[in-house]
Parts: sequence; structure tokens; C-alpha cells
Amino acid sequence: GDSVTQMEGPVTLSEEACLTINCTYTATGYPSLFWYVQYPGEGLQLLLKATKADDKGSNKGFEATYRKETTSFHLEKGSVQVSDSAVYFCALSDRSSSNTGKLIFGQGTTLQVKP
Amino acid sequence: DADVTQTPRNRITKTGKRIMLECSQTKGHDRMYWYRQDPGLGLRLIYYSFDVKDINKGEISDGYSVSRQAQAKFSLSLESAIPNQTALYFCATSDSSRPPDTQYFGPGTRLTVL
Repeated sequence: GDSVTQMEGPVTLSEEACLTINCTYTATGYPSLFWYVQYPGEGLQLLLKATKADDKGSNKGFEATYRKETTSFHLEKGSVQVSDSAVYFCALSDRSSSNTGKLIFGQGTTLQVKP
Repeated sequence: DADVTQTPRNRITKTGKRIMLECSQTKGHDRMYWYRQDPGLGLRLIYYSFDVKDINKGEISDGYSVSRQAQAKFSLSLESAIPNQTALYFCATSDSSRPPDTQYFGPGTRLTVL
């Protein structure tokens, strides 16, 4: 079945460092891909998404490009801030014929940014 | 105002008790979902509902039941709680008329079963 694999955390960075969180997926069709972010004590919020190959999603300085050839959707940011400290989830949307819209999540990657 | 609300936010209960977690939404979305979150496992789908009369099991439905009382309300019940149901539970909604089915999450309910 479809699956998502993220790099294990925690990831600890200094403020203004570059961030990459790796995400790869396995899917039988052509899923939509998402990054969600969970700040401490809160629910998940959509950070960005991409619906087809070569699409780039971006928001709040974060970017991710849908790479069909490498089945990847890596999250990047050029300069992280302390306020970016959170858990990041990569997910894909089941787009099978039944169009359930179910999300399949990776295990989450914790990012801690130090001043 | 929150679009997706969950009650209670925290609950401690004992093994064998029946527990109901409630979810309400004001987004007008037709689809609703219940997930549980465990450390290192991400989120796993328990049940999902496409509308009031359409309810489906997710990957980990054993030990849980749901009720879709109205388009805006979706409740999750643990008929007889057990300690390994201790987790963070999230409700989510989506609008099937606006693919790719971006989901919007509530703030979560932290459940502890002693």
C-alpha cells in the first residue's frame, strides 16, 4: 500500500541555519503531497502542498518540490527561526478510484531551533 | 473562533470505562476524520465519514466506534477503554468539492487510560 517515510529526528539547528527534512513516498497512482506542521500543544496545520509532478509548494519561507522521478517531497528553508520549532509531518493523499481523500502520514520529524 | 473544535481537551479515565470524544466544525465540510497520534508513529486513521450516512473504518478501528450526528458533528467512542488507547486524538475535516482534499485539524484531545 501507499506509504510515507521521513527522516528521523530530532533535528537541532541554530537560528539562521538551512533546513532540509527528507520525505519519500510509495504510491500506486499520482498522489497529492502535503507538509503539515504541529506546534507545541496544538493540532496540525497545513504548511504547503503540491498536486502534481514538478509542482513547488511554498509558505512562510518553506518550500518543497514534488519529484516524481525520485518519489520525494523534501522540505527546505533557507534560514530557520526559533519560532519554526515544531513537529513536521509529510503526508500523501489517497487518490485511488474511490477518491477517499484519506491522508497517509509519515512518522513526523521534530525540529528544534536554538537561538 | 476555531473552525474545528474538540471536547474535552484532556481526559483521564480508568480501564473499562466508556469514553466519548466529540468534534464539531463550522467549516461546512462534508468529510470528517478521526486520527490518533502516538510518538514515533505519526497519525493513524481510525474512522472517516463522507457524510451523515457514510461511515468507514480506517486502519485501526478495533476498539472504537463513531457517530455522525449531523454534518457538523462527529463523535468517537471507546466502548471499554484500555491503557494502550492512551494517545492524542485528532479530528479533521475536508471539503470533497475542493480537491485535493486538504484536511483541517482540531486542537486534539489528550486521553490517558489508567
